Amino acid sequence: ETGVTQTPRHLVMGMTNKKSLKCEQHLGHNAMYWYKQSAKKPLELMFVYNFKEQTENNSVPSRFSPECPNSSHLFLHLHTLQPEDSALYLCASSQGSQAPKNIQYFGAGTRLSVL
Amino acid sequence: AQKITQTQPGMFVQEKEAVTLDCTYDTSDPSYGLFWYKQPSSGEMIFLIYQGSYDQQNATEGRYSLNFQKARKSANLVISASQLGDSAMYFCAMSPRWGGSEKLVFGKGTKLTVNP
Repeated sequence: ETGVTQTPRHLVMGMTNKKSLKCEQHLGHNAMYWYKQSAKKPLELMFVYNFKEQTENNSVPSRFSPECPNSSHLFLHLHTLQPEDSALYLCASSQGSQAPKNIQYFGAGTRLSVL
Repeated sequence: AQKITQTQPGMFVQEKEAVTLDCTYDTSDPSYGLFWYKQPSSGEMIFLIYQGSYDQQNATEGRYSLNFQKARKSANLVISASQLGDSAMYFCAMSPRWGGSEKLVFGKGTKLTVNP
């Protein structure tokens, strides 16, 4: 148990659906992250939030919409996804942004399948 | 730009033996951090060990140690006394120490299989 909880663990959705991924951290951290992990590719950083403010958007398509209502919660809203968006989506948090406080702790991920 | 290279797609080791997973990096930042993570088949990325570029000693955490050779730009992970539960993907990552250092760059990973 790393202190970062992601729900749901598995999600199957059609291309016209709207769904949301949820991440909650119980570590008192100030930064939260969304990553995408596709088969045989390195982890891709999607979004970074520091103290609820978005500080990084790594050229992510607008069909992915993040929301960070407070430092403990992070959402990823999904709509009109494509089959190539099927992947493991990982959430992480860190205490701060400067080493070594930027050690990131990850959740177990949401495995998303888009049909 | 930062880059992490893990040249071993897969490694095999016998239980109770030591194994070294290779990681080389490229960066122009004068100060940076290096990280290793473990990802079992369940999907969760588990933080293992951290090494700062100006740390005088190599980092150790239980059975994990980081063989840091700054001049060679390598940060190999050494796992001693391998256990069956060590079978997993292992990722090396780095970040700059100052300014926007929350952004981690990951390698493609090495799949470790521990044989009984």
